[in-house]
Amino acid sequence: DGGITQSPKYLFRKEGQNVTLSCEQNLNHDAMYWYRQDPGQGLRLIYYSQIVNDFQKGDIAEGYSVSREKKESFPLTVTSAQKNPTAFYLCASSSRANSPLHFGNGTRLTVT
Amino acid sequence: GENVEQHPSTLSVQEGDSAVIKCTYSDSASNYFPWYKQELGKRPQLIIDIRSNVGEKKDQRIAVTLNKTAKHFSLHITETQPEDSAVYFCAASNSNSGYALNFGKGTSLLVTP
Repeated sequence: DGGITQSPKYLFRKEGQNVTLSCEQNLNHDAMYWYRQDPGQGLRLIYYSQIVNDFQKGDIAEGYSVSREKKESFPLTVTSAQKNPTAFYLCASSSRANSPLHFGNGTRLTVT
Repeated sequence: GENVEQHPSTLSVQEGDSAVIKCTYSDSASNYFPWYKQELGKRPQLIIDIRSNVGEKKDQRIAVTLNKTAKHFSLHITETQPEDSAVYFCAASNSNSGYALNFGKGTSLLVTP
């Protein structure tokens, strides 16, 4: 359910490779977000986008890149510059300011 | 930027008791405060939220209180049940970060029968 689809659920990559995580929503939400979750660290904001073709860095953007070419899609690329990429990545969207975030089911990335 | 602190990090209660989780925030411009519940391996789900023009909100066994002067807000769960066991996150947002949510580090709640 939900309306936000993240794929794949599990992703394995070798160190030094870039990898792109997919996030698609059919909720017609303007804003989309990427969070990283590590045990005991809560959810930390990587990037967010309030409208198409515009996005801003969050607290931990280094080593990540995003694009927002379509309202429905907000892919996240984990580059080889990210020093500790193994984590659980959550995509979310919202319809307007000060409204709840709707989360996808997440992608668990393991880099070895 | 906004800093949200959450306490305690772990909480264990007996079934039927109440549980209280507290959060503080640093940016006085913050005006939206949701609470999320996350079960193991699943996505966070909104359980209750409050806006800055309201001091308290209740939904069945769950309530949230907000003290804007002190910059803190709390989650209260009454008559706890084993299915309340999960990780709970508080969050705050304001216009300075495009209304992105800044999360606390979470509280792992265990309700024992």
